[in-house]
Amino acid sequence: DGGITQSPKYLFRKEGQNVTLSCEQNLNHDAMYWYRQDPGQGLRLIYYSQIVNDFQKGDIAEGYSVSREKKESFPLTVTSAQKNPTAFYLCASSESWTGANSPLHFGNGTRLTVT
Amino acid sequence: AQSVTQLGSHVSVSEGALVLLRCNYSSSVPPYLFWYVQYPNQGLQLLLKYTTGATLVKGINGFEAEFKKSETSFHLTKPSAHMSDAAEYFCAVTSNTNAGKSTFGDGTTLTVKP
Repeated sequence: DGGITQSPKYLFRKEGQNVTLSCEQNLNHDAMYWYRQDPGQGLRLIYYSQIVNDFQKGDIAEGYSVSREKKESFPLTVTSAQKNPTAFYLCASSESWTGANSPLHFGNGTRLTVT
Repeated sequence: AQSVTQLGSHVSVSEGALVLLRCNYSSSVPPYLFWYVQYPNQGLQLLLKYTTGATLVKGINGFEAEFKKSETSFHLTKPSAHMSDAAEYFCAVTSNTNAGKSTFGDGTTLTVKP
């Protein structure tokens, strides 16, 4: 079955350490996204990518970085510059950047705890 | 610019009762509207979507929503709640001028009482 795989499901880090969250999709989708979810809030867009080797900042990109070297992979690095990194991170994809009517397909998320 | 407001962060219904989750949107161009469901510690799953055409949209698990342009609303309903419907529900909007950048509401947690 096609889908999006995020790993690990739970991640614990000490303050000041960078950490990378993995996102892999086998849906052959062009567009990929990273969202952050905090309790009682909707999803906020961190970064998105329309095609390989291209990505754009979303609404809350500060303290995060991404790469898109392969169509199926879109890893997110949470750097030590991110002031409140503890959150639930969701990776998503859609068929085409230009298709606004295409729904998002989500992975099962990574819960990051930084102490 | 686009935005979504979900009225009521928590909704509680009895099993078998009508479910009504409210969503109002703002968009300067024709919107595409989505409802997603999220179970604890999981990602979001698409329930239904409105793009063009019929304003009453049917989705999975017996849910439906009606697009009302005059009221800028896209409320989600289900005639009879099941215990398995307990989850968090998100309304989202996109448009051709903002393709791919969905704007989400803050979510509504649905509790179903036996």
